[in-house]
Amino acid sequence: RKEVEQDPGPFNVPEGATVAFNCTYSNSASQSFFWYRQDCRKEPKLLMSVYSSGNEDGRFTAQLNRASQYISLLIRDSKLSDSATYLCVVMGSSYKLIFGSGTRLLVRP
Amino acid sequence: EPEVTQTPSHQVTQMGQEVILRCVPISNHLYFYWYRQILGQKVEFLVSFYNNEISEKSEIFDDQFSVERPDGSNFTLKIRSTKLEDSAMYFCASSGMGLNLQETQYFGPGTRLLVL
Repeated sequence: RKEVEQDPGPFNVPEGATVAFNCTYSNSASQSFFWYRQDCRKEPKLLMSVYSSGNEDGRFTAQLNRASQYISLLIRDSKLSDSATYLCVVMGSSYKLIFGSGTRLLVRP
Repeated sequence: EPEVTQTPSHQVTQMGQEVILRCVPISNHLYFYWYRQILGQKVEFLVSFYNNEISEKSEIFDDQFSVERPDGSNFTLKIRSTKLEDSAMYFCASSGMGLNLQETQYFGPGTRLLVL
């Protein structure tokens, strides 16, 4: 089983749509979780950390289900500028980041 | 806003040659990392570095790879004898020290390495 698994997409949605991405991780001892965003040929940039109680940052909401080892990201009111690859990330030993393969989002006008 | 910088942005080299990729982490950060991303694949951890020594390395980080912090600002990745399969984007990252700061890793823009 892959350490971090994501649906590669692409998700093709119209502007204003709500879209949700899911991710599963294999190590039940993992403690820290993140969503990063990566634009084409650019570096990953932190979108938000994921907390046990769930957290929201503007149009973005992240949820964590430890029992199911499942992380989600919800984007409301999609903008054209949201088009990117969204990376589910789990922190491993020595603070290394373990990345999923990413889910590609295309927001169309 | 402070940022991680990397040089060069692109490097083309011949198989068997040595390359050194350079990074300047954010100035008050204490943890440093190298990751790589082969075109079309996921970002993979290579090595983490703290207190002037390697904290952890992946199986990718074999004897051909080394890291160094030669002075107070630079953090380098050396590949001694490059192979075709070393062609990838190499990202440097750094993180600070503190309850939450330690967890947030900031990535540099990457060095695209092409081995011919």
